[in-house]
Amino acid sequence: GAVVSQHPSWVICKSGTSVKIECRSLDFQATTMFWYRQFPKQSLMLMATSNEGSKATYEQGVEKDKFLINHASLTLSTLTVTSAHPEDSSFYICSAISERGWETQYFGPGTRLLVL
Amino acid sequence: DAKTTQPTSMDCAEGRAANLPCNHSTISGNEYVYWYRQIHSQGPQYIIHGLKNNETNEMASLIITEDRKSSTLILPHATLRDTAVYYCIAPLNSGGSNYKLTFGKGTLLTVNP
Repeated sequence: GAVVSQHPSWVICKSGTSVKIECRSLDFQATTMFWYRQFPKQSLMLMATSNEGSKATYEQGVEKDKFLINHASLTLSTLTVTSAHPEDSSFYICSAISERGWETQYFGPGTRLLVL
Repeated sequence: DAKTTQPTSMDCAEGRAANLPCNHSTISGNEYVYWYRQIHSQGPQYIIHGLKNNETNEMASLIITEDRKSSTLILPHATLRDTAVYYCIAPLNSGGSNYKLTFGKGTLLTVNP
């Protein structure tokens, strides 16, 4: 149980375009989802926390107008990278906490974004 | 989060037990110890967590010292597929949206044939 999926698994886009990444909890309902970013040879950095039906909470230094997060249902959160630039190229990973047990985060497989 | 300290890297022979240490001397009474691992180019995988009692599941065992200042993750029979970066995390356990994981550098465990 506790499976989280992400789509797409990788994406290449041109500079200036927007990219949407989906995060789904497949076998549980997630009241809270998290979005992380990981640059090569670095650890995961939390970008934002999203709760179903409310606005996301962004970590310091993360631009909320650039990284739009929507948590419209208990099984889906989306991250949209707007006006992407090469420096946004990274590995984006989401995680989810079950509504039944808030102790453990379950992670998706990640989405690799390359902005040309 | 309580600060955690882990060795940068460790090696283990295939089939042997891998014992990964973690120091968390500033941990408070309500902070759990979580272990995750990340295989190259994948999302982190939850392994196990505990508060003060030792825990065991199908993946690993977690031994927490009585003073809770350190813990050891034990993979009883390491396989090549256990090669990964292992993260020990002690998040402030306040639940809901306040519950965050802060990933450090972790320990790169390399299981050798």
